[in-house]
Amino acid sequence: EVQLVESGGGLVQPGRSLKLSCAASGFTFSNYGMAWVRQAPTKGLEWVATISYDGSSTYYRDSVKGRFTISRDNAKSTLYLQMDSLRSEDTATYYCARHRLFDYWGQGVMVTVSS
Amino acid sequence: DIVMTQGALPNPVPSGESASITCQSSKSLLHSNGKTYLNWYLQRPGQSPQLLIYWMSTRASGVSDRFSGSGSGTDFTLKISSVEAEDVGVYYCQQFLEYPLTFGSGTKLEIK
Repeated sequence: EVQLVESGGGLVQPGRSLKLSCAASGFTFSNYGMAWVRQAPTKGLEWVATISYDGSSTYYRDSVKGRFTISRDNAKSTLYLQMDSLRSEDTATYYCARHRLFDYWGQGVMVTVSS
Repeated sequence: DIVMTQGALPNPVPSGESASITCQSSKSLLHSNGKTYLNWYLQRPGQSPQLLIYWMSTRASGVSDRFSGSGSGTDFTLKISSVEAEDVGVYYCQQFLEYPLTFGSGTKLEIK
C-alpha cells in the first residue's frame, strides 16, 4: 500500500525557517518525481514545487523561488521542503504528492506563520 | 501561467441526479503526443485530495464508473451520474502540461 506521511509542520514566526519531510513507502520512491502542494485555510489547492525522480531537476512557483528548496533522499525514501524567510501568506496545509499524476497524497501538515 | 476556470454547480443536487462540472483552460492542454494534460480531483471534507480522472478521460484506479471526464483542448467536463452522499466535497481540475502547474478554484458539490 502506498503511503506518504508528512511531518515537520508547526507555528513559526515570520522570517524564520522550517523543514518539512515526507516519508514514502509502498512503491519504488526513486522511480517517481515528487511534489509539494499547499492549501491555505478555506482556500484552494496551489502547487508549490516539484523534483524529478533523481533530484536533478527542480521547479518552483514564483512566490517561493529563492526561499523554498525541494530535495530528496532516495536511500531513505524521503522528500523534503526547506522553507526559509517564511511569510504569513505561506500559512497553509502542505501536502506531498507523487508526481506527475498526483495519484497519491499525504495527509498534510499544517504550517502557521505568525508572530 | 495557464489559468484554469471552473464553473459552479446548482447546489444542492438531488441524490440520484447527474451533475456536470466544467473547467476551461487559457491554453490548449492537448500535447503533440495526443494526450490532454488535465486531471480531476475530489477533496472530501477534512480529507486530502483524491485523483479521479487523468489524461482528461481516464478513470483512476478504484474510482466509480459514475465519474467520467471529457472535453477538447481547452474545455473540459467532469460528469457524475447519479450523485450519492459520498460525492460531497470540492472538485478541482488541474493542468500538468507546463510549469507552474495550476489548479482551478474548485467546485463545491452539495447533495439534497
